[in-house]
Amino acid sequence: SQQGEEDPQALSIQEGENATMNCSYKTSINNLQWYRQNSGRGLVHLILIRSNEREKHSGRLRVTLDTSKKSSSLLITASRAADTASYFCATDGIRETSGSRLTFGEGTQLTVNP
Amino acid sequence: KAGVTQTPRYLIKTRGQQVTLSCSPISGHRSVSWYQQTPGQGLQFLFEYFSETQRNKGNFPGRFSGRQFSNSRSEMNVSTLELGDSALYLCASSLQNTGELFFGEGSRLTVL
Repeated sequence: SQQGEEDPQALSIQEGENATMNCSYKTSINNLQWYRQNSGRGLVHLILIRSNEREKHSGRLRVTLDTSKKSSSLLITASRAADTASYFCATDGIRETSGSRLTFGEGTQLTVNP
Repeated sequence: KAGVTQTPRYLIKTRGQQVTLSCSPISGHRSVSWYQQTPGQGLQFLFEYFSETQRNKGNFPGRFSGRQFSNSRSEMNVSTLELGDSALYLCASSLQNTGELFFGEGSRLTVL
């Protein structure tokens, strides 16, 4: 079963508004990542936050991580129609052998209306 | 620098057949991992290869197998196809221990 759960499953907003997506996970992690997927395409890496970080920014993206609650949030500010996509959180395992094995959440489908 | 290339992009097979999917990673990336994406199960890890060795394996039956060549290119094979194997198969490459994965556009398999 998926380790991550994302909330909401779907989000529809107007251009210029902010979009917030949440992710919860179950086990200890080294880092948490967010990816974006346009319909039926490959995933694109957005941002990585390490377990010892609490907040990270990249352009219009802001990610927070609360390891005590095993949760993360992704904020997209001043959204654009081009931000319409599915957004996934992904976690690695804390085991040394985790390598590039990621566990993905179920995803949030974001629709930004012009 | 070219991205991750997956071939074929689309294919249709019938139950019982087998299929081989190919993935060429970004130049210099030695880790290649494979994921299956379906509407019902989401994104699930299949396996990861590093320097021609399988480093991790997900919870899939033995019908799913893979390998990596000395040039880091990877193939995955699914034998005795079932209807439930219909999915988008995604390949990703990465530099060792950086965390970030670079995905290809995927191979969409339909099993009839």
